Amino acid sequence: DGGITQSPKYLFRKEGQNVTLSCEQNLNHDAMYWYRQDPGQGLRLIYYSQIVNDFQKGDIAEGYSVSREKKESFPLTVTSAQKNPTAFYLCASSSPRDSFQETQYFGPGTRLLVL
Amino acid sequence: GQQLNQSPQSMFIQEGEDVSMNCTSSSIFNTWLWYKQDPGEGPVLLIALYKAGELTSNGRLTAQFGITRKDSFLNISASIPSDVGIYFCAGLAATFEYNNAGNMLTFGGGTRLMVKP
Repeated sequence: DGGITQSPKYLFRKEGQNVTLSCEQNLNHDAMYWYRQDPGQGLRLIYYSQIVNDFQKGDIAEGYSVSREKKESFPLTVTSAQKNPTAFYLCASSSPRDSFQETQYFGPGTRLLVL
Repeated sequence: GQQLNQSPQSMFIQEGEDVSMNCTSSSIFNTWLWYKQDPGEGPVLLIALYKAGELTSNGRLTAQFGITRKDSFLNISASIPSDVGIYFCAGLAATFEYNNAGNMLTFGGGTRLMVKP
């Protein structure tokens, strides 16, 4: 089945530790995105990538890093510089950038908790 | 980034009632999307709108792309308990200057729907 997978479902981070969240898609989408969602809030864009080996900062990139070495994969690292990392993290992908029928599809999310 | 104004923020209705929610923006949009998010899950796309004035249905859900291209509406008819969740609108701006990073969506703050059996 085509879709977006995120792992793990739950992740625990110790103080000062970097953790990496996985996002994989087999939809052949060029663009991928990472969002952060806090309780009762909407989605805020962390990073996005429109093509392999290229990515851009979103609205709240501080304390996060990404890579895009393969079209299918867009891992997010939450670094120790992110002082308030507890949140629900959502990965999304979308159809080619020159399409006017833009649609983003989301993965199931990863909940990050700080110990 | 710019947020869409989505209202109401929450609704508590009786099973069987119809529901209506909307999103508005000061910018013109080319695309409007409506998502539903269940607790602890990712948003699922319900309806996509690509043309001003477009009215699209998906079962008991109907959404419209406002004629001014600055708003969109989602209606749910005859609500049932499984309609409970958070509904998000999202829009793709029309101007390159606003959307100069490519196909970047702007999201509303969500409408939390609660249905009483």
